[in-house]
Amino acid sequence: EPEVTQTPSHQVTQMGQEVILRCVPISNHLYFYWYRQILGQKVEFLVSFYNNEISEKSEIFDDQFSVERPDGSNFTLKIRSTKLEDSAMYFCASNILSGQETQYFGPGTRLLVL
Amino acid sequence: QQPVQSPQAVILREGEDAVINCSSSKALYSVHWYRQKHGEAPVFLMILLKGGEQKGHDKISASFNEKKQQSSLYLTASQLSYSGTYFCGTEYAAGNKLTFGGGTRVLVKP
Repeated sequence: EPEVTQTPSHQVTQMGQEVILRCVPISNHLYFYWYRQILGQKVEFLVSFYNNEISEKSEIFDDQFSVERPDGSNFTLKIRSTKLEDSAMYFCASNILSGQETQYFGPGTRLLVL
Repeated sequence: QQPVQSPQAVILREGEDAVINCSSSKALYSVHWYRQKHGEAPVFLMILLKGGEQKGHDKISASFNEKKQQSSLYLTASQLSYSGTYFCGTEYAAGNKLTFGGGTRVLVKP
């Protein structure tokens, strides 16, 4: 069964460093999302992406964050200058037809900022 | 505006039933239910579109009450594997992000 994949599974970085989290959505999906989950808390929406542009973003998704679909398969989340509070699990999700299908989540990248 | 889930936690004996509610103050387009085990990604259980239909998946089913803007998830004859945190994700219009509730932690004991 096709699935969303994410790399790396874990990332440890120093405060102020840039990180890039990578996702390969399911191949025929058109809508892509990034969510994050701080340990012990609920899943929070960051950004949605469709047709090569951001369709919606949350207040969390400030200027330090950016997303890109550099080729036909990858979907990346970049954090330019990481802060301690960026430590969280980051999930990528995708779906084929928004509004009628659910979003399928990848296994997540655990980011730890020291 | 996040949906409100209740209860926050429930402890069951194997074979017992439980109901988890997800309420919204805003009109819903759809409700998505996920289960998350510790350290893992949320796993999709089912989606309910407005229309009040009930869905089932093994001994887990859900309903969507459009009048009340509420969805309920029913765990019937619970199994040990049902343990985890259940999240409802709500969509307020087609093509929107999912807004997740705070989660309901379920523990099924032998």
